[in-house]
Amino acid sequence: DAGVIQSPRHEVTEMGQEVTLRCKPISGHNSLFWYRQTMMRGLELLIYFNNNVPIDDSGMPEDRFSAKMPNASFSTLKIQPSEPRDSAVYFCASSQRTGDDGYTFGSGTRLTVV
Amino acid sequence: AQSVAQPEDQVNVAEGNPLTVKCTYSVSGNPYLFWYVQYPNRGLQFLLKYITGDNLVKGSYGFEAEFNKSQTSFHLKKPSALVSDSALYFCAVRTSWRGGNNRKLIWGLGTSLAVNP
Repeated sequence: DAGVIQSPRHEVTEMGQEVTLRCKPISGHNSLFWYRQTMMRGLELLIYFNNNVPIDDSGMPEDRFSAKMPNASFSTLKIQPSEPRDSAVYFCASSQRTGDDGYTFGSGTRLTVV
Repeated sequence: AQSVAQPEDQVNVAEGNPLTVKCTYSVSGNPYLFWYVQYPNRGLQFLLKYITGDNLVKGSYGFEAEFNKSQTSFHLKKPSALVSDSALYFCAVRTSWRGGNNRKLIWGLGTSLAVNP
């Protein structure tokens, strides 16, 4: 398995533009997590899905953020409109049912909003 | 409220010496505890976990961690550090209680480990 695949690896965009981050989880994993990592706040859980259904989106900072998981092999995180304070590394992770065997993280998308 | 504390932002150790990265937690019910490592420009990698059983758990790359219920700690250890162990280490916890958001991990802020040659 190629692991959790995220794209793009780097994204530089102007304030106000729409940004879409993509994630392909590991086949057979039925939980998917979106995290944001910054120096100031560390690792923050934005949203997680179980069997493609959003379970907890309380970490989504604002209505500008939205996430979808249309099927078991694909998820997107969208920011519209983007702002400079959204600059961070965004990670996608997947796990089997409870995650107690560990999450597998993607390599992340480094987002810079200028 | 559930929480995880990693009291040291940075740990420095000489190669070949033992290392300890500290973690304490607060959780309702029995804890499920995890350690992850993050190398530069990479995602986090799972190292080891404690769910139940022996208080000393062994994981990847020669790391181990000891669960101490009375001290609510789960310190990460390695008998002999390598320069290649230099990375960011994260402790995480969740409650054993089922249902709702209880699967959600609570993460520490991370400890940067520097192993000097």
